[in-house]
Amino acid sequence: NAGVTQTPKFRVLKTGQSMTLLCAQDMNHEYMYWYRQDPGMGLRLIHYSVGEGTTAKGEVPDGYNVSRLKKQNFLLGLESAAPSQTSVYFCASSFHGDGNQPQHFGDGTRLSIL
Amino acid sequence: GQNIDQPTEMTATEGAIVQINCTYQTSGFNGLFWYQQHAGEAPTFLSYNVLDGLEEKGRFSSFLSRSKGYSYLLLKELQMKDSASYLCAAIDSNYQLIWGAGTKLIIKP
Repeated sequence: NAGVTQTPKFRVLKTGQSMTLLCAQDMNHEYMYWYRQDPGMGLRLIHYSVGEGTTAKGEVPDGYNVSRLKKQNFLLGLESAAPSQTSVYFCASSFHGDGNQPQHFGDGTRLSIL
Repeated sequence: GQNIDQPTEMTATEGAIVQINCTYQTSGFNGLFWYQQHAGEAPTFLSYNVLDGLEEKGRFSSFLSRSKGYSYLLLKELQMKDSASYLCAAIDSNYQLIWGAGTKLIIKP
């Protein structure tokens, strides 16, 4: 039972490069989320999806794009990486968005932008 | 604005009890989660409170007072493996999670 799987686990990019972070869940969850976690700050929501084919902006969406072509996958793209996007990125999923459903997290992607 | 406050770091002794506090200010309120996050790992779900009172789960308990905008996580019989960060997250009126920065708990033998 894999749960939420993120790839890659680590990546170093140069400023201006692009890349895609992959997230896959095998729990048949409707909702999926992308967060970034920076030292001294709480998790910040980048984008989220309430179902296949849907996406919505979170708290810090600028510089990122997402797609949810299949229910089990949620992709996060960095169009032109900037040093300010150096962070740990977590993908999460939940059965639905009602309050009592906890989010299940992947192991994170540690991204450094030089 | 919306805000979650929790202490940055706490230290406790193996075998003892520790209480980690969390205060929240949100636009509406639909419950509160506590998560545990070991260094370099993913957050994992510990507890959920939506009604006032105490929820007990083994060595861990979580308390909520909606009128005070306050919650705490109580850890009993501390073990070295409890060394981790503990994240408080409140659910606002749009069912978005507002996350605290986390409390790093250090357990000493």
